Amino acid sequence: GEDVEQSLFLSVREGDSSVINCTYTDSSSTYLYWYKQEPGAGLQLLTYIFSNMDMKQDQRLTVLLNKKDKHLSLRIADTQTGDSAIYFCAETPLYNTDKLIFGTGTRLQVFP
Amino acid sequence: DAGVTQSPTHLIKTRGQQVTLRCSPKSGHDTVSWYQQALGQGPQFIFQYYEEEERQRGNFPDRFSGHQFPNYSSELNVNALLLGDSALYLCASKSSHAGLRTEAFFGQGTRLTVV
Repeated sequence: GEDVEQSLFLSVREGDSSVINCTYTDSSSTYLYWYKQEPGAGLQLLTYIFSNMDMKQDQRLTVLLNKKDKHLSLRIADTQTGDSAIYFCAETPLYNTDKLIFGTGTRLQVFP
Repeated sequence: DAGVTQSPTHLIKTRGQQVTLRCSPKSGHDTVSWYQQALGQGPQFIFQYYEEEERQRGNFPDRFSGHQFPNYSSELNVNALLLGDSALYLCASKSSHAGLRTEAFFGQGTRLTVV
């Protein structure tokens, strides 16, 4: 089946690291993505990881993938107030690469 | 590059009416997908258009239909609007040469309110 779950809220202090978690059920997932949505805006692709990788680092962002547990995480180092947004994880199943299956989103709030 | 552009940005319609939303893909992209994002939810895939045909469809009723034009732009039509159709409608485009990686670029969305 297709199901992607995320915790709803995360609050962190500016300068700390944020870790946003996601679990998915489809073992055929090819690529997994992290998108950011700011108020009143569309979705911005932050990073992605191919399913045969364990980790990907891109500047302040680190993606960890545990394929056995179907768990994906996004770590944001040195979190800034500009990072406050909703973060969505999404996956593309192997049997249907035409669509993205999104989680419900995690609202990240960064306080000074 | 203007990226993916959608119009209008906001729209208010009455139950039972019909609505048309428009999307221009990012330059160089030939594939357009539409998503519905209800308040507090993640986007849900409606359908995808490629070569002016609907290639894939999500779990949405026939009231939702679309079209793709030769210049790759696309329209989403919703007939007999229900209150539950109130949502942010997102358009995403990609190149068919992207392969397995769905490197989709999203527009800002159209906020539809049905009253």
